[in-house]
Amino acid sequence: QVQLQESGPGLVKPSQTLSLTCTVSGVSVSRGDYYWNWIRHHPVEGLEWIGFIFHGGTFYNPSLQSRPSISVDTSKNQFSLRLTAMTAADTAIYYCARASRGYFGPDAFDVWGQGTMVTVSS
Amino acid sequence: DIVLTQSPGTLSLSPGERATLSCRASQTVSRTHLAWYQQKPGQAPRLLIYGASSRATGIPDRFSGSASGTDFTLTITTLEPEDFAVYYCQQYGASPYTFGQGTKLEIK
Repeated sequence: QVQLQESGPGLVKPSQTLSLTCTVSGVSVSRGDYYWNWIRHHPVEGLEWIGFIFHGGTFYNPSLQSRPSISVDTSKNQFSLRLTAMTAADTAIYYCARASRGYFGPDAFDVWGQGTMVTVSS
Repeated sequence: DIVLTQSPGTLSLSPGERATLSCRASQTVSRTHLAWYQQKPGQAPRLLIYGASSRATGIPDRFSGSASGTDFTLTITTLEPEDFAVYYCQQYGASPYTFGQGTKLEIK
């Protein structure tokens, strides 16, 4: 059974960098069949896809400009998100999620972590 | 970006009734790359439907999806008590992958 679990700080100060980790069990993150994603759920704005890592390559939501960075640690079977220059607008529940490889890119998000709440406040 | 508009915002029904949820895309969604998710309080979204009409593993057959142009529909034929939740549509045909704002299905 594939499971994903997010971890990281629940509170971040404005202008700091957020670092979150997603620990994957039941499948290797180095398999080429899957896209590993980060998604967040804003209290009002709703769900927003942040980006993915696939075959070592990354792709991000342009709305976040150059702020996000996703990486993989195959030795720990984890992938991580760094999001720089945090503001109150980044307060959200952050999810990691898996998507299978489709014909033209990722398929739907079929496995999700339980989510971790991140609050940006001084 | 492809904007997904869900309607209604809230749907009040009773167990045993039929639910019809709509999702309209602002432009063509590539090869019906549209999914539906169910989310309950304190839980992550759960994939129900992908490819506009294919049920995900373990999803009961009372859930079905359909597409007509840029209009997508999720139908729940006979509501069970556990079906009352928030439902989101999502397109994964063009980056950035976007979600609708959600339809809350509540008990009448």
